[in-house]
Amino acid sequence: KQEVTQIPAALSVPEGENLVLNCSFTDSAIYNLQWFRQDPGKGLTSLLLIQSSQREQTSGRLNASLDKSSGRSTLYIAASQPGDSATYLCAVILDSGGSNYKLTFGKGTLLTVNP
Amino acid sequence: EPEVTQTPSHQVTQMGQEVILRCVPISNHLYFYWYRQILGQKVEFLVSFYNNEISEKSEIFDDQFSVERPDGSNFTLKIRSTKLEDSAMYFCASSEYRSLGYTFGSGTRLTVV
Repeated sequence: KQEVTQIPAALSVPEGENLVLNCSFTDSAIYNLQWFRQDPGKGLTSLLLIQSSQREQTSGRLNASLDKSSGRSTLYIAASQPGDSATYLCAVILDSGGSNYKLTFGKGTLLTVNP
Repeated sequence: EPEVTQTPSHQVTQMGQEVILRCVPISNHLYFYWYRQILGQKVEFLVSFYNNEISEKSEIFDDQFSVERPDGSNFTLKIRSTKLEDSAMYFCASSEYRSLGYTFGSGTRLTVV
């Protein structure tokens, strides 16, 4: 059974700092990995999607990397801003070979960026 | 940018009552999903739906739950007899192809009292 772990559970940084959020998964046979942002009481906003054949994806100040063999992904946020404060969720889809591609989520990292 | 729309945003119901949560997926998407998140816990998979039938369901998705795509645009989750432990945020999601990732709706917060 796929397990997804995110470390740290919470992170507080001053504005402007670069930071890294970590995600690990137990089964490396994944189809893809998606990072989401969740604001309190709100829905999930997709940030980056990495296919299993890719090593990284970038969008603005965000960069996500994927190392399938070691079961790890990182989300790098450059020059953090108070508006980046949210919970960041990592989710993987197992490559089961069938038609079902459900996401398995980590519990998330609660990021607080202090002005 | 296309969105997945969920209604209502918040629903309060009495234990034992039936509730229907509604979703309008992105129009050209083929795969539809319901997830839920109990307060403070992980987002959990409930059910996936493709080609007008359930393709996979979790152990949470018991006989009290059902899904429908009644008219080609709406996608609904019905809970027949709600329990206190059904209180959670319910998310609908859709995907065009498996490789293109998911788009989630903003969720329905269900409170069972």
